Amino acid sequence: AQSVAQPEDQVNVAEGNPLTVKCTYSVSGNPYLFWYVQYPNRGLQFLLKYITGDNLVKGSYGFEAEFNKSQTSFHLKKPSALVSDSALYFCAVRDVNRGSTLGRLYFGRGTQLTVWP
Amino acid sequence: KAGVTQTPRYLIKTRGQQVTLSCSPISGHRSVSWYQQTPGQGLQFLFEYFSETQRNKGNFPGRFSGRQFSNSRSEMNVSTLELGDSALYLCASSLTGAGNQPQHFGDGTRLSIL
Repeated sequence: AQSVAQPEDQVNVAEGNPLTVKCTYSVSGNPYLFWYVQYPNRGLQFLLKYITGDNLVKGSYGFEAEFNKSQTSFHLKKPSALVSDSALYFCAVRDVNRGSTLGRLYFGRGTQLTVWP
Repeated sequence: KAGVTQTPRYLIKTRGQQVTLSCSPISGHRSVSWYQQTPGQGLQFLFEYFSETQRNKGNFPGRFSGRQFSNSRSEMNVSTLELGDSALYLCASSLTGAGNQPQHFGDGTRLSIL
């Protein structure tokens, strides 16, 4: 079964410091991995995805994520955090070998990121 | 290009009533998925529609149903509302629902059951 774990409910970081939001996944085949961000009273915004190729993928707003197949992880990173990055972050996965799950994303529980000035 | 539009943004209903939520996908997108978001259960998949056909369904009771129209707009219906149905309902669209396509979300309909 497909699953996503975000081990930290909350991450706090000072503005200007690097940030990492952790994600591990479990799929039976090859994963397609995604990160989304949600601001209060808004829907989810797509940040970046890993499909294949380079393990380091770059996305919107200066975010990047590192895919590690051996550790089944896909951690979200940013070199220098901004107060405006404070939001709820979701990791999501699709198992590409399961055609019946087309269109379906499996989400983690979310990590609340707080960047303090 | 306009994003995914969900209407209404807020709804208040009482137990036993039914409700219909609407979603207009991004122009050209033919796959529409629905999710329920609650503090306790997180984001849970309801169903996905493509070309007016339900292609995938999550583990929700039959009170939850949906449909898609020929212009790709979608509606979901919840009958016999229960207190536990209070949630943010999110609609997401993508071109075809293929695995490498990100889903683009609307801002949701917040449903409160009294």
